[in-house]
Amino acid sequence: LAKTTQPISMDSYEGQEVNITCSHNNIATNDYITWYQQFPSQGPRFIIQGYKTKVTNEVASLFIPADRKSSTLSLPRVSLSDTAVYYCLVGDMRQAGTALIFGKGTTLSVSS
Amino acid sequence: DVKVTQSSRYLVKRTGEKVFLECVQDMDHENMFWYRQDPGLGLRLIYFSYDVKMKEKGDIPEGYSVSREKKERFSLILESASTNQTSMYLCASSFVRTVGDNEQFFGPGTRLTVL
Repeated sequence: LAKTTQPISMDSYEGQEVNITCSHNNIATNDYITWYQQFPSQGPRFIIQGYKTKVTNEVASLFIPADRKSSTLSLPRVSLSDTAVYYCLVGDMRQAGTALIFGKGTTLSVSS
Repeated sequence: DVKVTQSSRYLVKRTGEKVFLECVQDMDHENMFWYRQDPGLGLRLIYFSYDVKMKEKGDIPEGYSVSREKKERFSLILESASTNQTSMYLCASSFVRTVGDNEQFFGPGTRLTVL
């Protein structure tokens, strides 16, 4: 399974755009890139997933360069409620008997 | 909405006790997972199952076993609880899809304290 590297922590202020970059140098051809968000005392929640280029939903955007060796989660105009841990994962769950590795994630702190 | 439920939010057990953590999902997911989460260590995969009676070891299976007799239920068993198994335990489930989809649905977690 591809290993990911992301910053341990980031700080931001309300209203700013936050970009969290994840490195995954040995990503496999069939792997997808997935981001999760976790609030204290809750289980992680799926945010966004992509394979290449750009994906956008109501919560975030995901930018993936052509070589797919990294990806950037972009949170527009963060608020205090975006304070959470963000996990970057790569893998292909189409195969039975595979699982994703979560790692330590990036702790985002948003201040007013 | 997908629902993953865990039998307890908080549990206190004594060293040496046998502990059962139960997880139930209502979306007919093939995959089910057990993680533990400790401060500074992120989520670590203990065991997972991709079908009834099938199981695969994760990164830290030592001291744990699992049981999946029915598709909707996945149990984590601590045969003889120890203090270093005090942790938050999270269960998750997901489909095995034909198109890549890595979305897992998590339960609320069980905070286990072993005294």
